[in-house]
Amino acid sequence: AQSVTQLGSHVSVSEGALVLLRCNYSSSVPPYLFWYVQYPNQGLQLLLKYTSAATLVKGINGFEAEFKKSETSFHLTKPSAHMSDAAEYFCAVSLSGGSNYKLTFGKGTLLTVNP
Amino acid sequence: DGGITQSPKYLFRKEGQNVTLSCEQNLNHDAMYWYRQDPGQGLRLIYYSQIVNDFQKGDIAEGYSVSREKKESFPLTVTSAQKNPTAFYLCASTQGGRGYYFGPGTRLTVL
Repeated sequence: AQSVTQLGSHVSVSEGALVLLRCNYSSSVPPYLFWYVQYPNQGLQLLLKYTSAATLVKGINGFEAEFKKSETSFHLTKPSAHMSDAAEYFCAVSLSGGSNYKLTFGKGTLLTVNP
Repeated sequence: DGGITQSPKYLFRKEGQNVTLSCEQNLNHDAMYWYRQDPGQGLRLIYYSQIVNDFQKGDIAEGYSVSREKKESFPLTVTSAQKNPTAFYLCASTQGGRGYYFGPGTRLTVL
């Protein structure tokens, strides 16, 4: 079984400030981890993913995340927020080597960027 | 281009009616999924299918039904037994679990 906890349902930052969105996971086997972004009334867009290669993963739009097994975390960061980053962000986990590849999501974090 | 299509984008239903949401993929993926999204709830798994003619219930399957007669198609029927069907529905597919593709979603509103 697997689960995801996103700390903070709403994060507000100033334009140009560091973005840090927190994600902790629980998994019985080595996980695959994903961050998705969603704009209003749209589907999900993949930002980045960890599938057991490098622990520091770089994604689109300047985002990156680091897989820390000891902390069971996969926090998403961006050095400098842009107005266009305002959206909802979802962390998700699936089980590597699993037979059904179910993707389990956190409840999401709404990011607001203030001018 | 390969991808997932969902139709319609917006759907309105009267209470007591069944409605079917379409999901089609041309990625040749074996596994397909239906998720429901409500504000503050994240995405919750309704049904999934790993192979044609086989599917399993997810976490919130009550009031929903699916079929998987073709590899590329995984329609979801929202039945009148679903107590609160107003939500945003997302379809996804994967081959091997290392990457998931999502459709653009269908927003269902019960009038």
